[in-house]
Amino acid sequence: AQSVTQLDSQVPVFEEAPVELRCNYSSSVSVYLFWYVQYPNQGLQLLLKYLSGSTLVKGINGFEAEFNKSQTSFHLRKPSVHISDTAEYFCAVSEGANAGGTSYGKLTFGQGTILTVHP
Amino acid sequence: GAVVSQHPSWVICKSGTSVKIECRSLDFQATTMFWYRQFPKQSLMLMATSNEGSKATYEQGVEKDKFLINHASLTLSTLTVTSAHPEDSSFYICSARIQGSFGYTFGSGTRLTVV
Repeated sequence: AQSVTQLDSQVPVFEEAPVELRCNYSSSVSVYLFWYVQYPNQGLQLLLKYLSGSTLVKGINGFEAEFNKSQTSFHLRKPSVHISDTAEYFCAVSEGANAGGTSYGKLTFGQGTILTVHP
Repeated sequence: GAVVSQHPSWVICKSGTSVKIECRSLDFQATTMFWYRQFPKQSLMLMATSNEGSKATYEQGVEKDKFLINHASLTLSTLTVTSAHPEDSSFYICSARIQGSFGYTFGSGTRLTVV
């Protein structure tokens, strides 16, 4: 079974400061990794995803994440945040297509991190 | 592209009644749809996976007779909460897997309040 742990439930930060939202995962097979953003009472919007290849993944709105297999981490970063980045962020994992397991396609989400950007 | 339209966005119903939530894929064929439930200040929990033309697969602990899922066409999946109770009040979100891209697109969610 796969699981995701987001280490910080809330992250307050000032505008234009850098931010890192931490995510660790656990799985016995190869995985795909995702970061989503959710604004109040809305669905989820994909920020970025890691499927294979380069471990540094760039997404929308200036976000990037680095896949670290040895540390089983996929931390999300942004060098300079804006007020509009205030939202809840979810890390998610899906079993890889060639992992040979039975859970391909199911997303398992972390608990979420609320990012609050202060002026 | 790859948009899922979810309706209604919010609904209030009386205890004991049933509520249907629809998710439509607007510009692609959604062979697989996932249904999630999100309680306040919590993460998304997968309820069930539906494949077009076949019975849905429910996660452990989810009552299949209470949460009826129908995926009769490649563009429409529905979730019906039967005999709703206040503890069913939650945010329900559907998601479709995008074939060929290993990605997912989400509906905008439905806020269900049972009074």
